[in-house]
Amino acid sequence: KAGVTQTPRYLIKTRGQQVTLSCSPISGHRSVSWYQQTPGQGLQFLFEYFSETQRNKGNFPGRFSGRQFSNSRSEMNVSTLELGDSALYLCASSSSMNTEAFFGQGTRLTVV
Amino acid sequence: DQQVKQNSPSLSVQEGRISILNCDYTNSMFDYFLWYKKYPAEGPTFLISISSIKDKNEDGRFTVFLNKSAKHLSLHIVPSQPGDSAVYFCAAKSLVGKLIFGQGTTLQVKP
Repeated sequence: KAGVTQTPRYLIKTRGQQVTLSCSPISGHRSVSWYQQTPGQGLQFLFEYFSETQRNKGNFPGRFSGRQFSNSRSEMNVSTLELGDSALYLCASSSSMNTEAFFGQGTRLTVV
Repeated sequence: DQQVKQNSPSLSVQEGRISILNCDYTNSMFDYFLWYKKYPAEGPTFLISISSIKDKNEDGRFTVFLNKSAKHLSLHIVPSQPGDSAVYFCAAKSLVGKLIFGQGTTLQVKP
């Protein structure tokens, strides 16, 4: 069974630009969550999607958005990038409500 | 509002000894707890979990203990191996709630 796949692995963007990150969950998993990890911080929850609906949302500004498609693949978008958005963005999928979440390798975003 | 806290940023133990990583939480609605291991530039890897109806779960060298009255959980690694050196995150969630992570503890196992 293939794991969680995130693309791209690395990305460099300029301040003010927008970026879209992609996540393909494990086959059969319907829940996809996104996290941001910055140096010195734990994993900060961004949002969770389940069956194309946003089920939970973290405390991030509206510049951060996401969506989930009918095949459970998910994308997150960050508009008007700021230097502080530089981070490792992680996607995790799970099969139901109280099971372990499996993470992808992450997308390392650098904003210059 | 840090609902899941790992108060020790780092821990160093000798190979073969026990590693004990601790985690405290504040939300009494949490009913599922997990531990993850993370290497730099990689995604976290699931290690072990425990439901709130249990107080102990064991998987090989890894054992998680849950003390609900104290809102505390711990991960024991016995015996510790150099390959266990990584950042360990505890996480907690409630039914249909989001998975919330602690800040992580960096474990170093010395040969």
